[in-house]
Amino acid sequence: DAGITQSPRHKVTETGTPVTLRCHQTENHRYMYWYRQDPGHGLRLIHYSYGVKDTDKGEVSDGYSVSRSKTEDFLLTLESATSSQTSVYFCAISDGGGKAFFGQGTRLTVV
Amino acid sequence: GQQLNQSPQSMFIQEGEDVSMNCTSSSIFNTWLWYKQDPGEGPVLLIALYKAGELTSNGRLTAQFGITRKDSFLNISASIPSDVGIYFCAGQAWEYGNKLVFGAGTILRVKS
Repeated sequence: DAGITQSPRHKVTETGTPVTLRCHQTENHRYMYWYRQDPGHGLRLIHYSYGVKDTDKGEVSDGYSVSRSKTEDFLLTLESATSSQTSVYFCAISDGGGKAFFGQGTRLTVV
Repeated sequence: GQQLNQSPQSMFIQEGEDVSMNCTSSSIFNTWLWYKQDPGEGPVLLIALYKAGELTSNGRLTAQFGITRKDSFLNISASIPSDVGIYFCAGQAWEYGNKLVFGAGTILRVKS
């Protein structure tokens, strides 16, 4: 298995609070991605990173920000959580050669 | 943005049957990937395709990269109960910054 760890694995938070999810890799891969998975929508890209401090938006980036201060960590922050952000969040990594590998996911519930 | 249309949305399998699913796009991709996801887990890579026309197998799974570079299919031969799950196609293109775009998934269920 690729060395990807997501934390926390489960979180319940209140509407309006900030939340940060962490993705940690031990593979030294250049590319890191954050997706959310919702029934009927598959996996939708939130943000991705192509290097330290280099990030770009995906198709559903509103309400989310990211940071990558070192190769191994990619943080996803929900600035003010809303119920529509209840979802399962997946981190993925890639060396740019095509293959991408996923973490185990974080189940986030906003109440 | 790029969109992948994956079909069928769901299907029932009986043990021993062959299964086919496909993915199409209006955009050209440089890489096609097929993933399987089990409940509560992250997607796991099954097959990666890098060249138009490429046909690649992984055990009972066979996938092809379409000649037009706008489609791909996945076949599962002689299905077994553990094949149930959600299968996703994904495409990647250099001109889109190596973003990986996913289809909505095909849900495989067992026929009772």
